[in-house]
Amino acid sequence: EGQLVESGGGLVQPGGSLRLSCEASAFTFISYWMHWVRQAPGKGLVWVSRIKYDGTTTTYADSVKGRFTISRDNANNMVYLQMNSLTADDTAVYYCAREVGADIPAGAFDIWGQGSPVTVSS
Amino acid sequence: QSALTQPASVSGSPGQSISISCTGTSSDIGAYNYVSWYQQHPGKAPQLIIFDVRNRPSGVSRRFSGSKSGNAASLTISGLLAEDEADYYCSSYTTINTLVFGGGTKLTVL
Repeated sequence: EGQLVESGGGLVQPGGSLRLSCEASAFTFISYWMHWVRQAPGKGLVWVSRIKYDGTTTTYADSVKGRFTISRDNANNMVYLQMNSLTADDTAVYYCAREVGADIPAGAFDIWGQGSPVTVSS
Repeated sequence: QSALTQPASVSGSPGQSISISCTGTSSDIGAYNYVSWYQQHPGKAPQLIIFDVRNRPSGVSRRFSGSKSGNAASLTISGLLAEDEADYYCSSYTTINTLVFGGGTKLTVL
C-alpha cells in the first residue's frame, strides 16, 4: 500500500530555517511525483510544492516561491522541503503526499504522511 | 491563485444524501477534468475519495460520487452514515501548472 513518514518539524524563530524530511516505504518511490501540502491550525489545506519522479521538475505556490526548496533522493526514498525566511504565516502541519498520476501531477494524492508540525514564533 | 469556493458547512440525517459544491474558474476547474475530493477526520491526514472528477480509488465506498459542470464540481454522499462526519476538501489542477484547494466544508450528520 505504501507509507510516508515526515520528520524535522518543530519551533523556529521568524526569519529562521527548517528542513522537513519525508521517508517513503513499500512502494516504488522513483515512479511517483511527490508533493508537500500544509494546513495552518484550524484552517484548510494549501498546496505548497511538488517534484517530478526524477527530480528534474519542481513547482511552488506563490506564497513560498523563492523561500522553499523541494528536493528528493531516490536512492534513499526521501523527499525534502527546505524552508528559509520563515514567518508566522508558515506555521502549519506539513504533509508529504504521493501523486496518483504518473504523467500529469493533477493533484490526486493517494498516500499521505502523518504530518509534521512547524511553529514559527519568537 | 485564489482558493476554490466551498460552503463552510452542510448537514444531513443518516440515510439521506447531501452534496457539496466546489466553485472555481475557467483557469482551474473549468480547464481540466482534474478535480479531486478529500475527506479529513479531526487530527488525521486527509484521505482521497474522488479523483479526476468522478473516479473512486480502490476501497472507497460507492456512496461517494463526483461530478463537474463548467467551472463547478460537486461531491455527493448518499446513504449518510455517522462516520461520514468530517471535513471535505476539493482540489483542482490549474492552467498555471499549480494546484489549488477549496476552503473546506464541515459535514455534520444530525
